Amino acid sequence: DAGVTQSPTHLIKTRGQQVTLRCSPKSGHDTVSWYQQALGQGPQFIFQYYEEEERQRGNFPDRFSGHQFPNYSSELNVNALLLGDSALYLCASSEGRTFEKLFFGSGTQLSVL
Amino acid sequence: QKEVEQNSGPLSVPEGAIASLNCTYSDRGSQSFFWYRQYSGKSPELIMSIYSNGDKEDGRFTAQLNKASQYVSLLIRDSQPSDSATYLCAVQMFSGGYNKLIFGAGTRLAVHP
Repeated sequence: DAGVTQSPTHLIKTRGQQVTLRCSPKSGHDTVSWYQQALGQGPQFIFQYYEEEERQRGNFPDRFSGHQFPNYSSELNVNALLLGDSALYLCASSEGRTFEKLFFGSGTQLSVL
Repeated sequence: QKEVEQNSGPLSVPEGAIASLNCTYSDRGSQSFFWYRQYSGKSPELIMSIYSNGDKEDGRFTAQLNKASQYVSLLIRDSQPSDSATYLCAVQMFSGGYNKLIFGAGTRLAVHP
């Protein structure tokens, strides 16, 4: 049973560029949440997708957007990258539009130069 | 005031001792509380969830919740070196029209032989 998979594992971008990160949820899960984790900090909630719609959102600017596909996989898009966007981006899946029993992927380490 | 606060540590305990990890939160209306463990370079994994005041035990782990004091804690009995990790407290909150899962910055636990 595959867990949560994320791609790519590492990414280097320059300021102003755009990036797309991808996530496939654990089998049987229909809800995907995205988090940003800076070094030495806890994960910060970006947004949650369920039934192909953004259902919940954290305190992130509109430069952060997402999408969920019919197979429950999800993408996180970040436009106009800033140096401060450098972080580990974690995807977590769960069942039924909840935050219960989140399973996290290994993350994408984004470096913005 | 941060929404979820934890002492960053490191909390150093000898093998076999009880480790006590604490967390306070700002939203009096919060109903769902979680403890995650994150090993260095890995993604968070759920240890326990708690929803009612009092204690909840699972093996060597006990979560304690006091909603009146807005306080949640995690006790680890018979601590082992393999318990050395960062422990993240997470609280589900309703804010700005959205449900969010808010993580603390984590407490680093070091169990020495």
